[in-house]
Amino acid sequence: QVQLVQSGAEVKKPGASVKVSCKASGYTFTGYYMHWVRQAPGQGLEWMGRINPNSGGTNYAQKFQGRVTMTRDTSISTAYMELSRLRSDDTAVYYCARGYSGYENWGQGTLVTVSS
Amino acid sequence: QSVLTQPPSASGTPGQRVTISCSGSSSNIGSNTVNWYQQLPGTAPKLLIYSNNQRPSGVPDRFSGSKSGTSASLAISGLQSEDEADYYCAAWDDSLNGQDVFGTGTKVTVL
Repeated sequence: QVQLVQSGAEVKKPGASVKVSCKASGYTFTGYYMHWVRQAPGQGLEWMGRINPNSGGTNYAQKFQGRVTMTRDTSISTAYMELSRLRSDDTAVYYCARGYSGYENWGQGTLVTVSS
Repeated sequence: QSVLTQPPSASGTPGQRVTISCSGSSSNIGSNTVNWYQQLPGTAPKLLIYSNNQRPSGVPDRFSGSKSGTSASLAISGLQSEDEADYYCAAWDDSLNGQDVFGTGTKVTVL
C-alpha cells in the first residue's frame, strides 16, 4: 500500500531554515507529483507547491516564492521541502501529499515550531 | 488567504442531510474540478470527493459532490456521529502562475 513517511518534529529559531523529508513507498515515486501543504494551529489548509519527481520541475505558491525549495532524491524515493527565513507564523504542521485527481495519500505531518 | 469561501460551521442531527457550499471564481472552480477533504481532529486530511462528484474507493455513498459555475457543494446524507469533522474544498487556480487553493473550511457538528 502507498505510504508517505515524514521526518520528525522540528524546533527552529526565527531566521533559520528547516528541511522536511517525505519518504514514499508502495508506488512508482516518479509517476506522481508530490505536493506540500501546511496547516497552522487552528487554521485551514494552505498549498505550498509541488515537485515533479521525474523531472525535478517545481511550482511554488506565489506566497512562498523565494523562500521555499522542493527537491527529491529518486534513488531513495524521498521528497524534501526546505523553508528558509522562518518566522513565527510559519509554525505549522507540514504535510506531503500525493495524488493525480486530488490528494489520495498524505504523510503523517511534521510539526515545525518557530520560536525564539 | 483562502480564495474559496465556505461557511465556518454546519450542523445536524443523526440521520439528517447536511450541505456545505464552496464559492470560488472563474479562475478556479469555474475552470477546474473540485475536490473535497475530510479532516478528523489531529489527523491528516482524507480525500472524500474528487473531480467534482467522484468518490474514492471506501468512501460511503452518503457523501456526494456537485459543481455549478463557480460554486460547488458537498452533501452528507444520513449524518452519523463519525462525520463530525472539518471539511475543505479545493481546486486548481489558473491565476498566479497556477496553484492549488483550499477553501476556508467548515466544521460539521453532529448534534
